[in-house]
Amino acid sequence: SQQGEEDPQALSIQEGENATMNCSYKTSINNLQWYRQNSGRGLVHLILIRSNEREKHSGRLRVTLDTSKKSSSLLITASRAADTASYFCATVFQGAQKLVFGQGTRLTINP
Amino acid sequence: SQTIHQWPATLVQPVGSPLSLECTVEGTSNPNLYWYRQAAGRGLQLLFYSVGIGQISSEVPQNLSASRPQDRQFILSSKKLLLSDSGFYLCAWSIRQGRGEKLFFGSGTQLSVL
Repeated sequence: SQQGEEDPQALSIQEGENATMNCSYKTSINNLQWYRQNSGRGLVHLILIRSNEREKHSGRLRVTLDTSKKSSSLLITASRAADTASYFCATVFQGAQKLVFGQGTRLTINP
Repeated sequence: SQTIHQWPATLVQPVGSPLSLECTVEGTSNPNLYWYRQAAGRGLQLLFYSVGIGQISSEVPQNLSASRPQDRQFILSSKKLLLSDSGFYLCAWSIRQGRGEKLFFGSGTQLSVL
């Protein structure tokens, strides 16, 4: 399958710690995106990184992209209880117009 | 500003009954529109996408169909629901230009087929 795969499937940490989630994919991409989903809700776009970029920041979020390893990571610094959610990576493959989502990482921040 | 409306939020339907889920977008023109389905605790499966009125691409052969009667309206339908149609259905839109721009999602419909 072409879809991205997140690792780990579930992550539980203490408030204030950093959370790192990884995403791997199999074919060349145009861009890679990260989304967040609170339980029972729609997804919210967090950050988009294009294939010619290596790192992007947005507030407490840091995304890296290594196209040689076909992988990306999402780092959330100084986590808060409100960061508890599922996080998905989504890739747009070269020549395609649609996003393909991974299975997600369920992040739990313990107060 | 752009908004996306999806309804209903929850739906319980018997097997064999019809289905119609509606999604509308406001504040933008000529959007790409998408229907995704999400099984419990899983990722999203793209069902249909549309780049214009009457233009529907189906990703997965199944018991569902989609229509786009107006530029900012996207409808997901079924003539006879199956148990396997249960899931969380999400509508989304993106700008027409470019490839793979970010998606804006509706709040979802939790469908239970009993």
